[in-house]
Amino acid sequence: AQSVAQPEDQVNVAEGNPLTVKCTYSVSGNPYLFWYVQYPNRGLQFLLKYITGDNLVKGSYGFEAEFNKSQTSFHLKKPSALVSDSALYFCAVTYSNKLVFGAGTILRVKS
Amino acid sequence: DAGITQSPRYKITETGRQVTLMCHQTWSHSYMFWYRQDLGHGLRLIYYSAAADITDKGEVPDGYVVSRSKTENFPLTLESATRSQTSVYFCAAGSGGKTDTQYFGPGTRLTVL
Repeated sequence: AQSVAQPEDQVNVAEGNPLTVKCTYSVSGNPYLFWYVQYPNRGLQFLLKYITGDNLVKGSYGFEAEFNKSQTSFHLKKPSALVSDSALYFCAVTYSNKLVFGAGTILRVKS
Repeated sequence: DAGITQSPRYKITETGRQVTLMCHQTWSHSYMFWYRQDLGHGLRLIYYSAAADITDKGEVPDGYVVSRSKTENFPLTLESATRSQTSVYFCAAGSGGKTDTQYFGPGTRLTVL
C-alpha cells in the first residue's frame, strides 16, 4: 500500500533563511505526490504536485519541491522563509484515486 | 466562487445523538471525499464518492454514513456520536484522476461530549 512519512513533527527556521520540510514515500508503481498547507482554522490549500518530468516542481507562494526517486523523497523547499509561511504542511501520495496523507509538519518561522 | 462550503463550522453534541455534517461544491467535480483530522494522524479518509449514488469506504468508515443524491452535495452522518468522533472534518472535491488535485473545504470542528 502507498504511504508517506514526514519525519519531523516541527521545523523551526529564522525569517530569511532557506527552509526544507521533509517527506519520504513508499509506493508501488509511479508516484504522484502532493504538498498541501493548512493555516490555523482553515482548510488545506494545494501548493504543488509531482506527476512526471522535471524533478524540481515549482508551486504557490514561492515554494518548490524536489523529487528524488532513488531516495524516495519529495522534500518541500523555499529559498527564503517568511513569518507568514508558519503553518502545518502535509505531504500526500495518490492511491487508487484517493490521497494518503502524512502526519504533517508544523513549520515555525521566527523573525 | 465559493468552491466548497461546509456547515456547520462548529458543532457540539452529546454521545448517542445523530449529527449530519453538510458539504456543498459549486463546481461539478465528480469525486467528493470526507476526511477527519486528528493530532498525530494527519488526515484519514472516511468515505468517498465517485459520482451521484456511488459511494465507497475509506480508511476509517465505522460509525459514519454518507449519501450523494446530487453531484454537488455530500453529507456525512454520525448515526450515534461517540467521544472518539470528536475531530475536525474536512470535505474535498476533485476530478478523481490519479494526478488530479483535491480541493478542500474550511472544515467542521465537532465536539462530542
